[in-house]
Amino acid sequence: GAVVSQHPSRVICKSGTSVKIECRSLDFQATTMFWYRQFPKQSLMLMATSNEGSKATYEQGVEKDKFLINHASLTLSTLTVTSAHPEDSSFYICSARTNYGYTFGSGTRLTVV
Amino acid sequence: AQSVTQLDSHVSVSEGTPVLLRCNYSSSYSPSLFWYVQHPNKGLQLLLKYTSAATLVKGINGFEAEFKKSETSFHLTKPSAHMSDAAEYFCVVSDNQGGKLIFGQGTELSVKP
Repeated sequence: GAVVSQHPSRVICKSGTSVKIECRSLDFQATTMFWYRQFPKQSLMLMATSNEGSKATYEQGVEKDKFLINHASLTLSTLTVTSAHPEDSSFYICSARTNYGYTFGSGTRLTVV
Repeated sequence: AQSVTQLDSHVSVSEGTPVLLRCNYSSSYSPSLFWYVQHPNKGLQLLLKYTSAATLVKGINGFEAEFKKSETSFHLTKPSAHMSDAAEYFCVVSDNQGGKLIFGQGTELSVKP
């Protein structure tokens, strides 16, 4: 139980375009979703925390106008990377808090060319 | 403020020999501690967690960790390494107030045949 489905797993986009990443909780209601970014050979860095029905809370240094987070329902949270640039290329992972701890999506490898 | 330090960025062992991945934490109060494993381009899988119950925590795939408050440590061990254990391992502490996870820098485990 407590599965988070993250899509797409890989995406390549052109510089200047926008990309949406979805995380769905399949068998539970995710009131809180965490979004992380991971650069190669580095640890996970928390970008923002989203709560269903309210605005996301962004970590210091994360551009909220560039990384749009929507958590409109208890089973879906989305991260949109707007006007993507090559430096946004990274591995993005979502995580939801459950009664048993935290469960992670499988990640999205974003490459901006 | 809470933090976690993984003392080794890379550990290499031979198949069948013991594994020790070291982690020290800093926390103002009783922490929740986790070990996660990440295979290349994959999400994170929970190995085990400590939440102030038994100090010796048994996890999946033969891993275990011991919470030592006096040493502020939560080292991960396994008696006998398997080739499939080769991956990145993260020691994580939870912010019990906001629910945020704070990740260590990660330890890459290599297993030689």
